[in-house]
Amino acid sequence: QQQVKQSPQSLIVQKGGISIINCAYENTAFDYFPWYQQFPGKGPALLIAIRPDVSEKKEGRFTISFNKSAKQFSLHIMDSQPGDSATYFCAARPSGTYKYIFGTGTRLKVLA
Amino acid sequence: ETGVTQSPTHLIKTRGQQVTLRCSSQSGHNTVSWYQQALGQGPQFIFQYYREEENGRGNFPPRFSGLQFPNYSSELNVNALELDDSALYLCASSVTGNKETQYFGPGTRLLVL
Repeated sequence: QQQVKQSPQSLIVQKGGISIINCAYENTAFDYFPWYQQFPGKGPALLIAIRPDVSEKKEGRFTISFNKSAKQFSLHIMDSQPGDSATYFCAARPSGTYKYIFGTGTRLKVLA
Repeated sequence: ETGVTQSPTHLIKTRGQQVTLRCSSQSGHNTVSWYQQALGQGPQFIFQYYREEENGRGNFPPRFSGLQFPNYSSELNVNALELDDSALYLCASSVTGNKETQYFGPGTRLLVL
């Protein structure tokens, strides 16, 4: 069964700190790994995404690290801000499809 | 702002009833996907429509059905509602040539009593 396991379930970080969220998958037939940010009452919004042939991708304060052999990928939020407080979802796309398998989400709270 | 709109925003139904949810995709987006997001969980893929035809389906029973119209708007229909159908239903559209980037609407929150 295709699954994406996400941890931690919740995270509290001080302003200026680094937030780290981890995801692991079992099925190797995934070819695209996006991260989504969701605020209460809103739909998920794409933050950053990576393909399995790249080990790291950085966009502003957001970085994805990808470890293909360990089947793990993580989101790092540098210099975390109170405005980053939201729920974050990792996802993976099975090859040849346009559907996403989502993790269970991480609720991030950044303290001012 | 992604431009994907959904209606209604909230809905209350009773078990056994039928419901229709609507989605207007962003201009130029011809692919629409529907997801169910239970409270505290990640979205789960229901199905996708491309050029008015179903183009992939998740593990949902046939009582979940959909339509896509020539203007690329879409409907999700759920028959014989069950209590477990209570969730946020999300619509996501993507642009031709870049189907990887899915833009989500704000969702419709359905409560089944």
